[in-house]
Amino acid sequence: GAGVSQSPRYKVAKRGQDVALRCDPISGHVSLFWYQQALGQGPEFLTYFQNEAQLDKSGLPSDRFFAERPEGSVSTLKIQRTQQEDSAVYLCASSPIEGALYETQYFGPGTRLLVL
Amino acid sequence: DAKTTQPPSMDCAEGRAANLPCNHSTISGNEYVYWYRQIHSQGPQYIIHGLKNNETNEMASLIITEDRKSSTLILPHATLRDTAVYYCIVRTLNQAGTALIFGKGTTLSVSS
Repeated sequence: GAGVSQSPRYKVAKRGQDVALRCDPISGHVSLFWYQQALGQGPEFLTYFQNEAQLDKSGLPSDRFFAERPEGSVSTLKIQRTQQEDSAVYLCASSPIEGALYETQYFGPGTRLLVL
Repeated sequence: DAKTTQPPSMDCAEGRAANLPCNHSTISGNEYVYWYRQIHSQGPQYIIHGLKNNETNEMASLIITEDRKSSTLILPHATLRDTAVYYCIVRTLNQAGTALIFGKGTTLSVSS
């Protein structure tokens, strides 16, 4: 079946520009996560949705970062007034079971953002 | 979640077993050990997880020491496609909806 998809795969933005990154999770998956991965580092948590509810946004680095999942499926991560330090790979992951004893997160291929 | 310690890199010959170690000396009794890997330009991929018993699936085996302070991921017959960064992560039981905490992982290079 189809996995998690993300678009665009690559984005070049000029400093100060706004960008929007899209995530299509696996159909029916309740949980959705966004991670940021800097070069040479492991992914770091940004925010978590359970259906349409954003339950944890503690990892968002500043108020320039905003995420939404209005209908509980597709999610968009928006970065306003991009800065060079925002350059990273942005990963989306989804998982199927709410309140499970354990869960497997399925990751998309990521969006590589380069801010010039 | 408990911290984990992994060697930064390892090499393995194609067809041989790759044994990737992980130390998690502060692991709690209700924490599972998870392994993910990330192939270049892809998102992380789940491999296996376990609590205290050894586990095996179609991808790998996981050996957890009796005191649970360390574990080893075993790829029995490594191929070139197994070249990736391997992450060892510990997570609390019944922690659905909680983010994975990745370290820097181990970069495994498989060569012919």
